[in-house]
Amino acid sequence: EADIYQTPRYLVIGTGKKITLECSQTMGHDKMYWYQQDPGMELHLIHYSYGVNSTEKGDLSSESTVSRIRTEHFPLTLESARPSHTSQYLCASSGGDRGFDTQYFGPGTRLTVL
Amino acid sequence: QKEVEQDPGPLSVPEGAIVSLNCTYSNSAFQYFMWYRQYSRKGPELLMYTYSSGNKEDGRFTAQVDKSSKYISLFIRDSQPSDSATYLCAMDTGRRALTFGSGTRLQVQP
Repeated sequence: EADIYQTPRYLVIGTGKKITLECSQTMGHDKMYWYQQDPGMELHLIHYSYGVNSTEKGDLSSESTVSRIRTEHFPLTLESARPSHTSQYLCASSGGDRGFDTQYFGPGTRLTVL
Repeated sequence: QKEVEQDPGPLSVPEGAIVSLNCTYSNSAFQYFMWYRQYSRKGPELLMYTYSSGNKEDGRFTAQVDKSSKYISLFIRDSQPSDSATYLCAMDTGRRALTFGSGTRLQVQP
């Protein structure tokens, strides 16, 4: 059972607000990811991290930013939310010694910007 | 062209049917192949993984990889309404970076 948590699960906010989506994992995984997924659509990688103080942008351009100060914590921040940011945000982590990248996902945060 | 192609569906089958879900890929360096299941409004969960070519069975699920054709499949026997979900294939070259398919939505009708 993967131990990866996201808060809040649902968030409805007004345009222009600053928000932070939290993601924590207790598995000691080095790699963590943020994906954006619209209903019924594919996953889009927006940020990833290979360890503390390491962050990279993913395939999909995003106005969000991330930080990785602690191994277990990978928050995503939107400085000024807009309706176009309405989506589901999924956090994942991977690690272990399998030799390949098995990602474990959190339950997601469903964001609605009015 | 995407590295991994997957028919989005939806695929609708009656309960008890055998389901076949497929992905094709273009990168011959992929060595590890995974299937994730995603229920509505949830995060994906790892269902099965295989290495290189061949078959792997787990209960009602069988994963099949044909590297010569760059084609992978997931078979579900005796499908149940609880199998209704989106199934995503995912692949890794061994450099520990996953490439996901876009997912196939499956509906099993009772």
